Amino acid sequence: DVVMTQSPLSLSVTLGQPASISCRSSQSLVYNGGNTYLIWFQQRPGQSPRRLIYKVSKRDAGVPDRFSGSGSGTDFTLKISRVEAEDVGVYYCMQGTHWPLTFGGGTKVEIK
Amino acid sequence: QVQLVESGGGVVQPGRSLRLACAASGFTFSNYGMHWVRQAPGKGLEWVALISYDGSQKHYGDSVKGRFTISRDNSKNTLHLHMNGLRPEDTAVYYCASGAVAGDEAFAVWGQGTMVTVSS
Repeated sequence: DVVMTQSPLSLSVTLGQPASISCRSSQSLVYNGGNTYLIWFQQRPGQSPRRLIYKVSKRDAGVPDRFSGSGSGTDFTLKISRVEAEDVGVYYCMQGTHWPLTFGGGTKVEIK
Repeated sequence: QVQLVESGGGVVQPGRSLRLACAASGFTFSNYGMHWVRQAPGKGLEWVALISYDGSQKHYGDSVKGRFTISRDNSKNTLHLHMNGLRPEDTAVYYCASGAVAGDEAFAVWGQGTMVTVSS
């Protein structure tokens, strides 16, 4: 199975400052057709997960543009340009290229 | 609006069975693959199973293969998860989520989850 490794496990950020979360896969996530199926989710306390980014860098409608995704192959990053209070929660990456689908362990973001 | 509503969770003894349901509304259910994802208390997300839009393809996570069966009824806009041989480690909130993996809709919509507790 593809192992998704996120770092750091937790992040304490001052309001208005940037944050960056790394996600590394044990195999390349490039599919035969050239697409890379890497998704980022946000899970706020007590809520269901919410998709933020799909196919590495495509931002969902309604997601603030302070969120961005980048990367290729086995190395991916979620960046928050200026953290706001509503960004508190746990962030997960997930790969959809190989069966079974697998999630990273999560990165908890809190406000300093 | 687009909505997924899970039901069927509860407390069940080890070794017993349970069937979860996910009712879809606000979109053309029969056009989309569907997933089950679970989250044990205080833990991360674990993908459980996928069924294709027409039910012809199914994939399962390693920890549930051979025990759980995903199915769908497109005439009733409903997704199911049949869970047999339940174990304490299956205790989790179970979410349904929409969208085939390769599509732009993959995991775009999630339900609120239903809690399954496996305990004697």
